[in-house]
Amino acid sequence: EVQLAESGGGLVQPGGSLRLSCVGSGFTFRNYNMNWVRQAPGKGLEWVSYISSSGGTIYYADSMKGRFTISRDNAGDSLYLQMNNLRGEDTALYFCARAFGAGPALDVWGQGTMVTVSS
Amino acid sequence: SYDLTQPLSVSVALGQTARISCKGNNIGIKNVHWYQQRPGQPPVLVIYRGGNRPSGIPERFSGSNSGNTATLTISRAQAGDEADYSCQVWDSSTMVFGGGTKLTVL
Repeated sequence: EVQLAESGGGLVQPGGSLRLSCVGSGFTFRNYNMNWVRQAPGKGLEWVSYISSSGGTIYYADSMKGRFTISRDNAGDSLYLQMNNLRGEDTALYFCARAFGAGPALDVWGQGTMVTVSS
Repeated sequence: SYDLTQPLSVSVALGQTARISCKGNNIGIKNVHWYQQRPGQPPVLVIYRGGNRPSGIPERFSGSNSGNTATLTISRAQAGDEADYSCQVWDSSTMVFGGGTKLTVL
């Protein structure tokens, strides 16, 4: 079964850091571009970042540039999101999602990991 | 930046047809994707590239895209279709989501 499983969320103080992980299984992870998408409580989906299958191309949403870093380890079938200088507005459920096709669409999603930024 | 506008809510009677719009500048030339999200669950892709259904998605779900509006159509609406629906495109190295529409089946 194709699956993504996130981990690493938790409670962090404003200005703190957190590293999220996402492990893929049931598919050839290295062949797929990957994304992080977040959802604040009661709000809509917000794209965070994209990384190509090789890791050679990376994009970020403007509000995350300079604070968040996406990376991947294809040998370990893993995707990461390093989040620094966290703010209250970063409080959200963070999903990793597999991309496919032109566009692209997100065809496989994890269950998400919750990040709460609060003092 | 590119904006996608969806109605906050849409209601449909059981067994009738629901249409959810997604408006964006010249969206007709873009690949539009739609997601269904039930409470407490991750999103599920229901339509990709305007009108294609992933395996396992019922034929009742269809999509169209032209001009400045993309539309998700759900025929013969069922109670289980009650969920939030979001459209999404890729624009200038950025992924953009609409604000989401809550579908209520009456």
